[in-house]
Amino acid sequence: QVQLVESGGGAVQPGGSLRLSCAASGFTFSRYCMHWVRQAPGKGLEWVAVMSFDGSNKFYADSVKGRFTISRDNSKNTLYLQMNSLSAEDTAVYYCARGRYYDLFGYMDVWGKGTTVTVSS
Amino acid sequence: EIVMTQSPATLSVSPGERATLSCRASQNIGSNLAWYQQRPGQAPRLLIYRASTRATGIPARFSGSGSGTDFALTISSLQSEDFAIYYCEQYDNWPPWTFGLGTRVEVK
Repeated sequence: QVQLVESGGGAVQPGGSLRLSCAASGFTFSRYCMHWVRQAPGKGLEWVAVMSFDGSNKFYADSVKGRFTISRDNSKNTLYLQMNSLSAEDTAVYYCARGRYYDLFGYMDVWGKGTTVTVSS
Repeated sequence: EIVMTQSPATLSVSPGERATLSCRASQNIGSNLAWYQQRPGQAPRLLIYRASTRATGIPARFSGSGSGTDFALTISSLQSEDFAIYYCEQYDNWPPWTFGLGTRVEVK
């Protein structure tokens, strides 16, 4: 079945770095754009970043621009989020979500269970 | 950036009753709106896209309506598993993709 499994979360000190991974299965990963969405404790959903199906286009939320980098390896069916210069405001559950087939325009139809990132000294 | 405003923040409903949740966009988004359900401790799940199309496997008691700036999600007869938080999201004008703050549906 269609599945997304995030990993790589954990506790990190302010200013530190972390790389999240999202392993996809059950669908042709290389044909879909992919998103990262986060949710701070007790808060709503915040879109973080998106990458086109072939990696040629990527966009970021202003809150993470210049600090986070989205990437993908279609040969490994895996999406990544490199997070640098982390601060307490980045503490959240990070979800990867499947976007549109071949197109950035669209909603998110499949979500992973999320991985927790805690930034604290 | 398009701002999505959901109301009410919390809706208290008895099981079996009807619930109507509202979502307003700060500018015209056509029908490019999705609704998601998030149960406690779980990931969001797509319910509705294109404002009124149910996603695969979503029960018929969930319905979406609206276009332009005003949208609604209606749950015709609340079941126990429907008590959750519901988010609307616009995908018309991006980046960013933007979500509302959510409506919590709780047991009355």
